[in-house]
Amino acid sequence: QLQLQESGPGLVKPSETLSLTCTVSGGSISSSSYYWGWVRQSPGKGLEWIGNIYDSGSTYYNPSLKSRVTISIDTSKKQFSLILSSVTAADTAIYYCARTYYFYSYMDVWGKGTTVTVSS
Amino acid sequence: QTVVTQEPSFSVSPGGTVTLTCGLTSVSVSTSNYPSWYQQTPGQAPRPLIYSTNIRSSGVPDRFSGSIVGDKAALTLAGAQADDESDYYCVLYMGGGIWLFGGGTKLTVL
Repeated sequence: QLQLQESGPGLVKPSETLSLTCTVSGGSISSSSYYWGWVRQSPGKGLEWIGNIYDSGSTYYNPSLKSRVTISIDTSKKQFSLILSSVTAADTAIYYCARTYYFYSYMDVWGKGTTVTVSS
Repeated sequence: QTVVTQEPSFSVSPGGTVTLTCGLTSVSVSTSNYPSWYQQTPGQAPRPLIYSTNIRSSGVPDRFSGSIVGDKAALTLAGAQADDESDYYCVLYMGGGIWLFGGGTKLTVL
């Protein structure tokens, strides 16, 4: 069964860059049937879609975050990554990686999430 | 700016039926938005419930069903149980590789 595991620093300073990695196990990351992406949840708030990447490298971002977000993929390592620049306290959140099934456009597999706090 | 709307909270009696909705500001939700629904309990990752409007995800009991009602997507829970008390989120595909989450509905069973 395919599993996703987020990793990265739990604390980032304001104005610096947040960097997270999601490792795929139990299945392939190279499939034309899926996007790989990130969702976040600020404390006590709802879920926010950040963006997706296709195994070809095509990327799609939330327009509200697009200027600060980069998602990349390394199929040889079975990993995809999130970079969020110029962070502020508003970027404090639980960050989830998720697989989106292309044909039905839904997020069918989720990681457990990793908490990132932006603070000096 | 397009916003996905959900009821902030809803209450249902044990054994009762409740319908949560998911709409768009200024336009109707259609099957082309591939509405999907997720259940989230505190401290847990979201769990897929319904996708492509009305298809139940693996292992989801048939007490949960999805549909389009009027101009909104809908999630209906029949025979509510105590452990259905959760936050429920809808997600809509907006085209161009863009997805939007609703603000979520906190469902109380009492």
